Amino acid sequence: KNQVEQSPQSLIILEGKNCTLQCNYTVSPFSNLRWYKQDTGRGPVSLTIMTFSENTKSNGRYTATLDADTKQSSLHITASQLSDSASYICVVSAKRGSTLGRLYFGRGTQLTVWP
Amino acid sequence: NAGVMQNPRHLVRRRGQEARLRCSPMKGHSHVYWYRQLPEEGLKFMVYLQKENIIDESGMPKERFSAEFPKEGPSILRIQQVVRGDSAAYFCASSLTNTRGGSGANVLTFGAGSRLTVL
Repeated sequence: KNQVEQSPQSLIILEGKNCTLQCNYTVSPFSNLRWYKQDTGRGPVSLTIMTFSENTKSNGRYTATLDADTKQSSLHITASQLSDSASYICVVSAKRGSTLGRLYFGRGTQLTVWP
Repeated sequence: NAGVMQNPRHLVRRRGQEARLRCSPMKGHSHVYWYRQLPEEGLKFMVYLQKENIIDESGMPKERFSAEFPKEGPSILRIQQVVRGDSAAYFCASSLTNTRGGSGANVLTFGAGSRLTVL
């Protein structure tokens, strides 16, 4: 069964601190993995997208890693800001021929940054 | 570019009424996806459409739900005879292409969602 599991479910950190969010998946065959940020009451916004051959990808203070062998990904946030408070969603795409295929969404990690 | 536009942002319906949710994709995007998000749950795929065609509706409930993406105008998600369990946030996303791989062209851009409340 294709699944995406994220941990922790929720996380509270102080402003300026770093944190790491985890994503484990069983989606197969794997196409790519995306991290999205969803602010409360808003739609998800793409942070990174990684294919099988990519191990690390950065977007400002966000760095995503991918280990396709162990089917794990992490999202590292450095020097957190209050505006980082949001739900971070891991999304894995399965191959379906030449098409984008089905996207499998994790439930998200709710990050709260305190001043 | 105004991004993906969804309306209404909030919709209240009584049981048995119909709900119509609209989605205008980003300019130039011809692929539209609808997702449902229940409270405390992740997004669940419902349907994928390309202009005038339903490509994949495997996530749509078999009854009461339908979707269209006409040649002209927005994509519509229609829920007939709504029940309390239909209360959720419905998100629309669009993409430029539907090809696999990591290119930015198949990155989904989401709308802000439509929140349906069924009384």
